[in-house]
Amino acid sequence: AQTVTQSQPEMSVQEAETVTLSCTYDTSESDYYLFWYKQPPSRQMILVIRQEAYKQQNATENRFSVNFQKAAKSFSLKISDSQLGDAAMYFCAYRSADAGNMLTFGGGTRLMVKP
Amino acid sequence: NAGVMQNPRHLVRRRGQEARLRCSPMKGHSHVYWYRQLPEEGLKFMVYLQKENIIDESGMPKERFSAEFPKEGPSILRIQQVVRGDSAAYFCASRTGISGNTIYFGEGSWLTVV
Repeated sequence: AQTVTQSQPEMSVQEAETVTLSCTYDTSESDYYLFWYKQPPSRQMILVIRQEAYKQQNATENRFSVNFQKAAKSFSLKISDSQLGDAAMYFCAYRSADAGNMLTFGGGTRLMVKP
Repeated sequence: NAGVMQNPRHLVRRRGQEARLRCSPMKGHSHVYWYRQLPEEGLKFMVYLQKENIIDESGMPKERFSAEFPKEGPSILRIQQVVRGDSAAYFCASRTGISGNTIYFGEGSWLTVV
């Protein structure tokens, strides 16, 4: 079974600064997907960024980018130019490319943004 | 194209009552997942359904919980004889039949058992 670990229960960043959230996972599969989801106080799950394991290039979405290290099974999220609206819970998630495709989530990191 | 719709958004039940949570997937989506989020925790997989079939229910408690996704109508997550420990947010998610396509989440249903 796959497991996803987020070792930072809470992180804090100054507005306009950069922060990196860590995520590691354990799998024996070679083909899979990795995701970061944001959960603001409204509790809605919002997809932030997605990475296919077969792609070597790190995914980027505006101020959000990932550092995907397949051999190390690491998938960190970097948020640049942090904004107050970035304050939320962030969940890392793994999904097999095989049938089923359910997401396995980490325990989450609470990000606080200081003005 | 409306997103994944869940209702009710908030539900209060007394211990021993039944809770029914509904999920209408996005248009064209034939795969539905249910997840549970306990306070201050991440989302835990419960069940994966396609139309009229339960594909994987390995995350469902063995008793009191059931799910269905009929040919017509929304997917239903049913919790019988609720207990206080069932208080949680229940999220539905859906995707198309193409493997690898993005899974989209609803806004969740918050069950409170008093």
